[in-house]
Amino acid sequence: DQQVKQNSPSLSVQEGRISILNCDYTNSMFDYFLWYKKYPAEGPTFLISISSIKDKNEDGRFTVFLNKSAKHLSLHIVPSQPGDSAVYFCAASGHTDKLIFGTGTRLQVFP
Amino acid sequence: DAGITQSPRHKVTETGTPVTLRCHQTENHRYMYWYRQDPGHGLRLIHYSYGVKDTDKGEVSDGYSVSRSKTEDFLLTLESATSSQTSVYFCAISEASAYEQYFGPGTRLTVT
Repeated sequence: DQQVKQNSPSLSVQEGRISILNCDYTNSMFDYFLWYKKYPAEGPTFLISISSIKDKNEDGRFTVFLNKSAKHLSLHIVPSQPGDSAVYFCAASGHTDKLIFGTGTRLQVFP
Repeated sequence: DAGITQSPRHKVTETGTPVTLRCHQTENHRYMYWYRQDPGHGLRLIHYSYGVKDTDKGEVSDGYSVSRSKTEDFLLTLESATSSQTSVYFCAISEASAYEQYFGPGTRLTVT
């Protein structure tokens, strides 16, 4: 039972345009959400997070939006850069010690 | 970057042999986690620790055991390696429960 779903395995975006990565969850107890970026042969790195008391959190070119009623979050990257090409994982937690990760979306930013 | 190292970084072993992977941190974080990453599955939690000698199971704990005798070290042992345990293993640390986790560089394990 996949509690956190990233339905798009891959996304290709032109440099300078917006990248939108999506994530859906099923557990209404989740109250904290995170995005991680992963380059090949490296560990995931924390990118940005959002608490369920907010619907938006911004950090530079990265913005995460949370729609609790739809159980949906998205990561916007504006403008996209070639260095953003990586696999992006969303993760969620709720009143436990654990994070539940999605399966990842591979973003490719081309010139 | 958080001070997390994993050893070995690469290992090839035979089916049926025991294997131990080590995670070492210099951040004095309370929580430590072991994940495996497989295509189509993302990151799945194997075991985690919430303090010295305090551990609990994750979603894919069968065939794995862990130990944490010091704050800085978290060991993952495959009792008797199987081909299904071929994977990339990541260790992560966190200051607080389910807070941001910081990952090590990973260990690529191949079981032949």
